[in-house]
Amino acid sequence: EAQVTQNPRYLITVTGKKLTVTCSQNMNHEYMSWYRQDPGLGLRQIYYSMNVEVTDKGDVPEGYKVSRKEKRNFPLILESPSPNQTSLYFCASSFLGYDRGSAGYTFGSGTRLTVV
Amino acid sequence: ELKVEQNPLFLSMQEGKNYTIYCNYSTTSDRLYWYRQDPGKSLESLFVLLSNGAVKQEGRLMASLDTKARLSTLHITAAVHDLSATYFCAVGTPANAGGTSYGKLTFGQGTILTVHP
Repeated sequence: EAQVTQNPRYLITVTGKKLTVTCSQNMNHEYMSWYRQDPGLGLRQIYYSMNVEVTDKGDVPEGYKVSRKEKRNFPLILESPSPNQTSLYFCASSFLGYDRGSAGYTFGSGTRLTVV
Repeated sequence: ELKVEQNPLFLSMQEGKNYTIYCNYSTTSDRLYWYRQDPGKSLESLFVLLSNGAVKQEGRLMASLDTKARLSTLHITAAVHDLSATYFCAVGTPANAGGTSYGKLTFGQGTILTVHP
């Protein structure tokens, strides 16, 4: 089954304790992206990657890191989480290309992160 | 900077009624997407609109795109309780400077739809 798999689904952590949220897709998509969802703000892009070893900042990158060592995986790293990073996080992937990218994103199930 | 605005943000409807959700965006694009999100769940793709004048229908939902007006609409016909969810529009923009690949989606704030008996 074609899917984007995120782990964990729920995470409660303390301020300053490094954490990683994993994301893996099995569709051979070039483009992968992380979004955070907050009430009233919709989804905002954190980081994206257009292919292996190619990553760039989205609209709200502060406090986050990413890496893309393999095409299928795109982990999100919070080196020193703070309470304002409490949010619902989604990983998404798609093909690039004017036509192949037209189908839009496939989303993961989401990770609800609470930083206390 | 691209801005995507939906209205209304909250919509309370009676079953059987019709209504429209509007999605306005601030820069040129011919890629418009509608997603549905149930509480605590991920986003499910509803419609992909890829050209001016595109219209797509699925059940009680119909989406359209006017790229000249930079406006998309999601029309709900004879609403039923099962349509209660949050609906997002998203505008696709090029992922690279050359504009030859589409990757980034910029989302509206979402419209929370509640359908009452």
